[in-house]
Amino acid sequence: KQEVTQIPAALSVPEGENLVLNCSFTDSAIYNLQWFRQDPGKGLTSLLLIQSSQREQTSGRLNASLDKSSGRSTLYIAASQPGDSATYLCAVSTGTYKYIFGTGTRLKVLA
Amino acid sequence: NAGVTQTPKFQVLKTGQSMTLQCAQDMNHNSMYWYRQDPGMGLRLIYYSASEGTTDKGEVPNGYNVSRLNKREFSLRLESAAPSQTSVYFCASIFRGQETQYFGPGTRLLVL
Repeated sequence: KQEVTQIPAALSVPEGENLVLNCSFTDSAIYNLQWFRQDPGKGLTSLLLIQSSQREQTSGRLNASLDKSSGRSTLYIAASQPGDSATYLCAVSTGTYKYIFGTGTRLKVLA
Repeated sequence: NAGVTQTPKFQVLKTGQSMTLQCAQDMNHNSMYWYRQDPGMGLRLIYYSASEGTTDKGEVPNGYNVSRLNKREFSLRLESAAPSQTSVYFCASIFRGQETQYFGPGTRLLVL
């Protein structure tokens, strides 16, 4: 059974710091992996999607990497800003129309 | 485009009452999903519909039923609500081939 883990559960950093969020999965047979952002009381917004054949994806200050063999993905946020404060979730797809989510990392960027 | 919409935004039910959560998307997406989100447990898949006319169970389907009314709409029904169903419910949709999930704003349900 696929399991997705995100550590740490919460993280506080000063503004301007570069940071890395981690996502681990137990079964390397994935179809794709997505990173989402969730603001308090809101729905999820997709940030980046990495197909199983890709190693990384970039969007602005965000860079997501994927290492299927080790069952890991990282989300790198450059020059963090207070507006980046949110919960970040990763989700893996096994290609059977189903997505398994991690429990998220709650990020707080201090001004 | 409104994207994915959900109604109601918030609902309070008594144990044993029934209700239907509505979800609609205007992006011509094929697949639609219902998740619940509970503190410390992340999002768990309740039911999904890979395409119009099909529905399948997810990880936590007990106590729920779904209807894929047409390509746009996917409803979730609680026949006899229980306090354990207190949660935030999210609907999502995907256009097959693009794989990016689009989420609705959620429905907060409290069962007393």
